[in-house]
Amino acid sequence: EAQVTQNPRYLITVTGKKLTVTCSQNMNHEYMSWYRQDPGLGLRQIYYSMNVEVTDKGDVPEGYKVSRKEKRNFPLILESPSPNQTSLYFCASSSSLPGQDTPYEQYFGPGTRLTVT
Amino acid sequence: KQEVTQIPAALSVPEGENLVLNCSFTDSAIYNLQWFRQDPGKGLTSLLLIQSSQREQTSGRLNASLDKSSGRSTLYIAASQPGDSATYLCAVGNNAGNMLTFGGGTRLMVKP
Repeated sequence: EAQVTQNPRYLITVTGKKLTVTCSQNMNHEYMSWYRQDPGLGLRQIYYSMNVEVTDKGDVPEGYKVSRKEKRNFPLILESPSPNQTSLYFCASSSSLPGQDTPYEQYFGPGTRLTVT
Repeated sequence: KQEVTQIPAALSVPEGENLVLNCSFTDSAIYNLQWFRQDPGKGLTSLLLIQSSQREQTSGRLNASLDKSSGRSTLYIAASQPGDSATYLCAVGNNAGNMLTFGGGTRLMVKP
């Protein structure tokens, strides 16, 4: 089954304790992205990656890091989480090549609900 | 910077009614527009994607239209059902293919 998976689905942590949220897709997509969703602010892009070893900032990258060492994986790293990073996080992927699926149609993971106390 | 607005923010209709959700965007230089459904606390499910060169897309009881020049899209839901109750999100893809800009969503409730 074609899908985007995220782990963990729920996480409660304390301020300053480094954490990683994993994202994996099995569709051989070039493009992957992270979003956060907050009440009243909607979905905002954190980071994206157009391919392996190619990453760039989205609208709200402060406090986050990403890496893309393999095509299927795109982990989101919070080096020193703070309470304002409490949010619902989504990973997404899409093909960026014409002829492969529908270019740029984004598929989303189930979300990771993070609480930082 | 692209801005996407969805009106209304919330909508309640009786079962069986046909309804229209609206999405507007400020920059017409888009690559595509995607409509999603989100159930409470859940992920996003893609409903329809319209390429910038297309005028509309249909899937079952759903029809999405795009008027790029006026910066508008509509999602038409025919014969609404209680199972259609969810938040509907509109997202505009930029020409570089590296960013989706989301609207705030329309929370739909279909009453039996």
